[in-house]
Amino acid sequence: AQKVTQAQTEISVVEKEDVTLDCVYETRDTTYYLFWYKQPPSGELVFLIRRNSFDEQNEISGRYSWNFQKSTSSFNFTITASQVVDSAVYFCALSDLLDSNYQLIWGAGTKLIIKP
Amino acid sequence: DSGVTQTPKHLITATGQRVTLRCSPRSGDLSVYWYQQSLDQGLQFLIQYYNGEERAKGNILERFSAQQFPDLHSELNLSSLELGDSALYFCASSVAEALSGYTFGSGTRLTVV
Repeated sequence: AQKVTQAQTEISVVEKEDVTLDCVYETRDTTYYLFWYKQPPSGELVFLIRRNSFDEQNEISGRYSWNFQKSTSSFNFTITASQVVDSAVYFCALSDLLDSNYQLIWGAGTKLIIKP
Repeated sequence: DSGVTQTPKHLITATGQRVTLRCSPRSGDLSVYWYQQSLDQGLQFLIQYYNGEERAKGNILERFSAQQFPDLHSELNLSSLELGDSALYFCASSVAEALSGYTFGSGTRLTVV
């Protein structure tokens, strides 16, 4: 069965520090997508990135970067020079066909607190 | 604005009552998904509709039901409400199947008192 594990329940850092949020997934499918979403205190879900299983290139978007490693089934998210506005809960999610029928399987989320 | 519209944004009701949450998908999207997020928890998949037909069911209680109408908007009906039903309810839509992801609405915050 599919599973997404975000082992870090809460991370607290001081502004301008770099921080990495871990995500480990399990799936039997060879075709799947991985996602990161941000949920600020206001509650909405903000899409950050989608990566398919055939594309292992790392991606950088401004201060955000993602490291996808199929060998370790991980899709980690790094924020460089963190800012207070980055404080939010971050969710990693998996979508595949086998068993889940395209539903998103969510990790439990990591609450990130950036202190000024 | 994601293009997925959920109403109402906030809802406060008493135990035992029934409420209806509404979702209008993004234009052109045929699939609608409902998720429940209880306090400090991750999202739980409830149900999916595709072009008016139920496609998949997740952890949806028997007290809950949903439907998708010909104009593709969807409604989630919650009845005999309990305190534990207090949560954020999200709707998401996609063009077809959601393997490549979908767009979320801003959610309905339900408080049962």
